[in-house]
Amino acid sequence: DQQVKQNSPSLSVQEGRISILNCDYTNSMFDYFLWYKKYPAEGPTFLISISSIKDKNEDGRFTVFLNKSAKHLSLHIVPSQPGDSAVYFCAARISLISSGSARQLTFGSGTQLTVLP
Amino acid sequence: DAGVTQSPTHLIKTRGQQVTLRCSPKSGHDTVSWYQQALGQGPQFIFQYYEEEERQRGNFPDRFSGHQFPNYSSELNVNALLLGDSALYLCASSLAGRVETQYFGPGTRLLVL
Repeated sequence: DQQVKQNSPSLSVQEGRISILNCDYTNSMFDYFLWYKKYPAEGPTFLISISSIKDKNEDGRFTVFLNKSAKHLSLHIVPSQPGDSAVYFCAARISLISSGSARQLTFGSGTQLTVLP
Repeated sequence: DAGVTQSPTHLIKTRGQQVTLRCSPKSGHDTVSWYQQALGQGPQFIFQYYEEEERQRGNFPDRFSGHQFPNYSSELNVNALLLGDSALYLCASSLAGRVETQYFGPGTRLLVL
């Protein structure tokens, strides 16, 4: 039972254009979403996140959009650069109800982004 | 700041053997989570340690166990290895009580023959 799905295993875009990576989730209890980037031989690196009380969060070239009714989020990278080529993971979590240890992350299977020069 | 470190980087074992993987969290972090990433898949949560106790556990059998030490470092132990345990094992550290990102180490690549 995949609660977080990334249906596109790969995506190629031209340098300077927009990259759009998509993610769907099924568990309505998820209320915090993150995107991670992973280069070969390295661990995932946090990129950007969004709380369910928002529908958009921007950080430089990266913007995440959340559509709660559709249980869908997307990551936009504008403009795309060759250094953005990596595997991108969408992850979701159920936030803390009370103080204590952070809740586990549920990951999608990833999308390999290739930005062509 | 060394970030999250893991050892060893690679490991080859045979079926039925036992393995121990190690993780040192990022400086200042007190919570350690372990994930298994099979080829072509996203990381899957194994368990999380805080204050030297297992706080949460994913859908993994009892063959997977762990430990956290007073200095917050952690070990993942897997007994009676199966071929299907071959994967990249990732450690992530975070600070308890804060809804923030987890910082991942580079992982240990385990191959079971």
